[in-house]
Amino acid sequence: EVQLVESGGGLVQPGGSLRLSCAASGFTFNTYWMSWVRQAPGKGLEWVAQIKHDGSEKNYEDTVKGRFTISRDNAKNSLYLQMNSLRAEDTALYYCVRDKVVGATYFDFWGQGTLVTVSS
Amino acid sequence: IQVTQSPSSLSASVGDRVTITCRASQSISNYLNWYQQKPGKAPKLLIYAASSLQSGVPSRFRGSGSGTDFTLTISSLLPEDFATYYCQQSYRAPLTFGGGTKVEIK
Repeated sequence: EVQLVESGGGLVQPGGSLRLSCAASGFTFNTYWMSWVRQAPGKGLEWVAQIKHDGSEKNYEDTVKGRFTISRDNAKNSLYLQMNSLRAEDTALYYCVRDKVVGATYFDFWGQGTLVTVSS
Repeated sequence: IQVTQSPSSLSASVGDRVTITCRASQSISNYLNWYQQKPGKAPKLLIYAASSLQSGVPSRFRGSGSGTDFTLTISSLLPEDFATYYCQQSYRAPLTFGGGTKVEIK
């Protein structure tokens, strides 16, 4: 059974940093692209960042470029999101998502999310 | 690439046929996916590549379209289908979602 379990969320002040983690199990992690998708309270979905199965390619949403860094450790079956210079508008539930890339890309498994709150 | 969903909400009855549309700001071929989200839950993939049904998803869900205009149709609404639906383009990063369509009980 595919499982994605996020951790690391919490309350942080504006300008602060936070590192999210996602523990993956039930599939061959090192063969899948992975993404982070977020959802602000009461709002829609927003893709944040994506990483290739071997970590050689990364893509970011424009508002997080230069502030967030996606990474992975295939030996630990883990995905990470380092978030720096956090802003109030980064407040959201952050989902770890498995990407299926077969020509088209789609998100076929989602974790339950970890909540990040940016507030003073 | 911007993705615009309509309507943003709709009211329907059990047994109704429901159609949700998604329009991309440029041609995205068939690189369009649909998700369902229920309150307090993670989204669930319904349709990928515009018209392919994800394994385990009931056949009353149907996706169609290509280029810039896409449609999600629920042929006969069941109580468990009341949820919010999102489209998402995967033609080019940044990958973008539509604003969502909330399907409510009439």
